[in-house]
Amino acid sequence: DIQMTQSPSALAASVGDRVTITCRASQSISSWLAWYQQKPGKAPNLLIFKASSLESEVPSRFSGSGSGTEFSLTISSLQPDDFATYYCQQYKSYPLTFGGGTKVEI
Amino acid sequence: EVQLVQSGAEVKKPGESLKISCQGSGDSFSTHWIGWVRQMPGKGLEWMGIVYPGDSEAKYSPSFEGRVTMSAAKSTTTVYLQWSSLKASDTAMYFCARLKGAYDSRFDFWGQGTLVTVSS
Repeated sequence: DIQMTQSPSALAASVGDRVTITCRASQSISSWLAWYQQKPGKAPNLLIFKASSLESEVPSRFSGSGSGTEFSLTISSLQPDDFATYYCQQYKSYPLTFGGGTKVEI
Repeated sequence: EVQLVQSGAEVKKPGESLKISCQGSGDSFSTHWIGWVRQMPGKGLEWMGIVYPGDSEAKYSPSFEGRVTMSAAKSTTTVYLQWSSLKASDTAMYFCARLKGAYDSRFDFWGQGTLVTVSS
């Protein structure tokens, strides 16, 4: 199985901050990586696919980068609506696996 | 627009059986794999497996194989997740989600979640 490790597990930030979350795969997954945002009590929402492609209707302040084993999600200017937990997911091979999550809080 | 609507919250006792559902709308429902994802209280997301509504073919995570069964009813565009004997450790929120494509296993649409509580 491919293990996905996110860091940090939590971070405190303020509105307007630039925030970067890292995801590392235990083996190369090329660019087969997605990022999701989840708010409490809600289903996850797809933000980024193929490591750097923005899903439809997702604000442009979200961006993704990386390939192989190292990836990052960046929020260029944190907005109040962005306080949530973020997960990466590899879809290079089965079983599909998620990172442990990064909680972005005030 | 694609919508996945899941069945309501359940409270069960250990040893009981349970079947929860996820009904999809949209013309392409039967041509997309549907996955199930578990989220235990305060924890992260775990992929359980996927089922193909067109023929009920299922693929399971090794962590869940033998513990759950995934199935589909093409006529009602509904997929199911069932347990024959629940444990307290099955207490979690369960999400269904659509895979974008046969060779593109990102989840592009999600159900609202079904909370399952198993307690004596």
